[in-house]
Amino acid sequence: EAQVTQNPRYLITVTGKKLTVTCSQNMNHEYMSWYRQDPGLGLRQIYYSMNVEVTDKGDVPEGYKVSRKEKRNFPLILESPSPNQTSLYFCASSYPGSYEQYFGPGTRLTVT
Amino acid sequence: GQSLEQPSEVTAVEGAIVQINCTYQTSGFYGLSWYQQHDGGAPTFLSYNALDGLEETGRFSSFLSRSDSYGYLLLQELQMKDSASYFCAVRPYGNNRLAFGKGNQVVVIP
Repeated sequence: EAQVTQNPRYLITVTGKKLTVTCSQNMNHEYMSWYRQDPGLGLRQIYYSMNVEVTDKGDVPEGYKVSRKEKRNFPLILESPSPNQTSLYFCASSYPGSYEQYFGPGTRLTVT
Repeated sequence: GQSLEQPSEVTAVEGAIVQINCTYQTSGFYGLSWYQQHDGGAPTFLSYNALDGLEETGRFSSFLSRSDSYGYLLLQELQMKDSASYFCAVRPYGNNRLAFGKGNQVVVIP
């Protein structure tokens, strides 16, 4: 089954404790992206990647890091999480130039 | 840059028709997409307009007018399962990013 998976699905952590949210897709998509979703603000892009070792900032990259060492994986790293990073996070993938992105199930992160 | 405006909430009865509008300000884009999201779940792709005009996919239709910087999603024969948030998104020229509107929540009542 074609899918995008994210782990963990739910995470409660404390300020300053480094964490990684994993994202993996099995559709051989070159393009992958991370979004955060907050009430009333819609989906805002954090980082995206056009291919292995090619990443770029989205609209709200501050406080986040990403890496793309393999085509299928695109982890999101929070080196020192803060409460304003409490949000719902989505990973997505697609072929370059495609208008259809496939989203993972989401990771609900709470930073206390 | 780009900004997309969508009204916030619509309530309608089963069987009715709902139109969700999307106005945008962007210098140029490849097309307008629509996504559906149920209660914080994964957004799922609904439709795409590369050209001006109406695209029909079953009960859902989407329209684009580049000259008016305007598009809409039309939901017909509403069903309870259509209760969700609907987002428009554009892919600006020169990159592969999708810029999303803030979304419009549709509540379907019996």
